[in-house]
Amino acid sequence: EDQVTQSPEALRLQEGESSSLNCSYTVSGLRGLFWYRQDPGKGPEFLFTLYSAGEEKEKERLKATLTKKESFLHITAPKPEDSATYLCAVPTAHSGGYQKVTFGIGTKLQVIP
Amino acid sequence: ETGVTQTPRHLVMGMTNKKSLKCEQHLGHNAMYWYKQSAKKPLELMFVYNFKEQTENNSVPSRFSPECPNSSHLFLHLHTLQPEDSALYLCASSLGGRTDTQYFGPGTRLTVL
Repeated sequence: EDQVTQSPEALRLQEGESSSLNCSYTVSGLRGLFWYRQDPGKGPEFLFTLYSAGEEKEKERLKATLTKKESFLHITAPKPEDSATYLCAVPTAHSGGYQKVTFGIGTKLQVIP
Repeated sequence: ETGVTQTPRHLVMGMTNKKSLKCEQHLGHNAMYWYKQSAKKPLELMFVYNFKEQTENNSVPSRFSPECPNSSHLFLHLHTLQPEDSALYLCASSLGGRTDTQYFGPGTRLTVL
């Protein structure tokens, strides 16, 4: 069964304190991995797509990396506005012209000023 | 309007009411999705439409009825809901194809009394 597991469930950081979020997955035939950011009461906002092991992508203070078993979202010198829930998702099936995606439960990040 | 829009943003309804959620995408995408997001759970895929044709019904109860009149509009008709149906309902769209990215609307927060 395809699974996506994110850890930790919640993370509290001081402003400027760098850390990493983990996303581990079990899928047959990795076709990529997505990271989203979700603010309370809003829809997920797309951040990155990683297509193959070894790939890295950056956006401001965020850097996403991918291995064959997991992905990390590194947050460097976070600011309070980085507080959100970060979702990881993996394509698990493709048929009929669309992509079925399995989501993790997310990591809720709180950055304290 | 840009991206994916959803109306209403908030909805409170009784168990005997009938209401509809609306989603519109302005991205020129071909696939549209309904997801349910409940607390402490990953996003649950409900329905998928690709080029207006329903291609996925993820064992959703018949009190939820989707409608897709064209590739830009998606509706979710609700009737005789249960309190456990209270959740954030998210619409997403994607271009289609392998490892394609889904873009989400802001969601409708539904409360069933």
